[in-house]
Amino acid sequence: GQQVMQIPQYQHVQEGEDFTTYCNSSTTLSNIQWYKQRPGGHPVFLIQLVKSGEVKKQKRLTFQFGEAKKNSSLHITATQTTDVGTYFCAGPRGSGTYKYIFGTGTRLKVLA
Amino acid sequence: DTEVTQTPKHLVMGMTNKKSLKCEQHMGHRAMYWYKQKAKKPPELMFVYSYEKLSINESVPSRFSPECPNSSLLNLHLHALQPEDSALYLCASSFSSGEGNTIYFGEGSWLTVV
Repeated sequence: GQQVMQIPQYQHVQEGEDFTTYCNSSTTLSNIQWYKQRPGGHPVFLIQLVKSGEVKKQKRLTFQFGEAKKNSSLHITATQTTDVGTYFCAGPRGSGTYKYIFGTGTRLKVLA
Repeated sequence: DTEVTQTPKHLVMGMTNKKSLKCEQHMGHRAMYWYKQKAKKPPELMFVYSYEKLSINESVPSRFSPECPNSSLLNLHLHALQPEDSALYLCASSFSSGEGNTIYFGEGSWLTVV
């Protein structure tokens, strides 16, 4: 079945260092979304990418959708302690618009 | 702060109990969801309601019974659960932009089955 994998599984960085998580789907995606879940919290929508090769920025966060629409990345510049949490990518399964499969997640820890 | 509210935030129930989780949203979203999340795992889709009708059931055991009384409310009835059902249960709602569904999650209900 369709799988969405993320690497790395965990990442510890010093505050101020950059961080990148990669998301890879076994099938082509019509769009991809990114969510952040703080420890003890719930997933919060960050962004959606739709076009092949699309790049979007939100302050220190840069999101990219691959040319083949099977992979995506999230890059954080100069991490802060507020960036701590688990980052999930999510893509629609099949042709349905409601079935979003979440990636395995990357847990980020920022050391002050 | 989330605009999807869930109650209760924490629930401990025995394997013979019957309980319900409740969810409410007033964003006018026509799709509502139940997800289950185990520790250190991604959310797993359980049910989707679209326009108050059950449109997706991800082969969830019958001890979980969803209900959508109206477009703003979603319930999950629990009966004869097992300890392995202990998890965070997330309610969510979404709107369609035509290119995808942006999913808004509630804060979740932490369920412990003893």
